[in-house]
Amino acid sequence: DADVTQTPRNRITKTGKRIMLECSQTKGHDRMYWYRQDPGLGLRLIYYSFDVKDINKGEISDGYSVSRQAQAKFSLSLESAIPNQTALYFCATSNSGSGNEQFFGPGTRLTVL
Amino acid sequence: QQQVKQSPQSLIVQKGGISIINCAYENTAFDYFPWYQQFPGKGPALLIAIRPDVSEKKEGRFTISFNKSAKQFSLHIMDSQPGDSATYFCAAGQAAGNKLTFGGGTRVLVKP
Repeated sequence: DADVTQTPRNRITKTGKRIMLECSQTKGHDRMYWYRQDPGLGLRLIYYSFDVKDINKGEISDGYSVSRQAQAKFSLSLESAIPNQTALYFCATSNSGSGNEQFFGPGTRLTVL
Repeated sequence: QQQVKQSPQSLIVQKGGISIINCAYENTAFDYFPWYQQFPGKGPALLIAIRPDVSEKKEGRFTISFNKSAKQFSLHIMDSQPGDSATYFCAAGQAAGNKLTFGGGTRVLVKP
């Protein structure tokens, strides 16, 4: 969905480096999510935020941190990247006032060497 | 542990055939069951969703069947077309919560 953008789209980094993935949305949604996608494991929730001052851990938050800089921006950081964090990362948004549909960004492919 | 189990991991179907993907969940508090479709290089997008007050929902060639007592639901793609080739994810959540738990995904290939 063009209303949810992620940067960068691809990133190759080395073990131990700090990495930030950014997500921006123009949908005016209050809720934002970070997922990682691995083959056979589907999409697993890393962190989610229901408004600017609300940050919650998902099922696989270890090794990750997030920042909700504004309603429209939600960043995911890997403080010290490790190879098993190599994955496809998706940001998603939803609106608490209008149903449960989540709108996904195009994804960031991260490779940790 | 996966709270939502999806099968098969992949399937190949001929054009015009029926694709069937199954999911099972454990948490009885789930009351919202969407299916997402993902094309290569794109993010998932909502395809169709069901609430447990109905046993079936149909939108065009896509149908969800829901069995509350068995805690299972499935996606049927009728008259499958090559353009349906994609990865499909089932998910479950609580309507009031907005959080979703996803299945492992099924890669569908429709051969012409």
